[in-house]
Amino acid sequence: IVMTQTPVSSPVTLGQPASISCRSSQSLLHSDGNTYLSWLQQRPGQPPRVLIYKISNRFSGVPDRFSGSGAGTDFTLKISRVEAEDVGLYYCMQATQFPWTFGQGTRVEI
Amino acid sequence: EVQLVESGGGIVQPGGSLRLSCAASGFTFNIYEMNWFRQAPGKGLEWVSYISNNGKSRYYGDSVKGRFTISRDNAKNSLYLQMDDLRVEDTAFYYCARGPFYDFWGQGTLISVSS
Repeated sequence: IVMTQTPVSSPVTLGQPASISCRSSQSLLHSDGNTYLSWLQQRPGQPPRVLIYKISNRFSGVPDRFSGSGAGTDFTLKISRVEAEDVGLYYCMQATQFPWTFGQGTRVEI
Repeated sequence: EVQLVESGGGIVQPGGSLRLSCAASGFTFNIYEMNWFRQAPGKGLEWVSYISNNGKSRYYGDSVKGRFTISRDNAKNSLYLQMDDLRVEDTAFYYCARGPFYDFWGQGTLISVSS
């Protein structure tokens, strides 16, 4: 499954919203009824961190300014008000079907 | 506190082998599936391999299938990745991550394949 993210780079203004899109080459709806689409953040020099799993579920400790939505083949990560600590790379990833695959990444920069 | 610590990285020649280890602590290792991911310097993320909690199910990315072997020792709370026939394109940071939603990652270990 090919994952395509847009934009590749997203200049943002502090306090303003940001949005990243992710499209899969086929539906990510699993036979078990779940859609295994996650969003990961990678700050400079750090390992990745999962923000969102199964489209819209935030992990404990993830600020509520991050939200995920979508279904089927089209998904979106939104940051309601960008903060300085949100700078980094963002990846969508599908784990519905092996091999698991990532989008190419979106760089969020101030 | 959940901790994952990778080790075993280093420099190896093309065609060589390495074995990575991931020491887990702070959680009940034997009930979690585990994964290996990698990231070439300056590049994006790539999923490498998955293993179920009991080791009976294993999956691999296309680029490593037939060359890499994932395994685990639940008695030692450890995950492994045996990497054979290494290629220059295997150069990357390798991360272990806890499943099912890779909520915890190690800091990574660097593999450099070069002649």
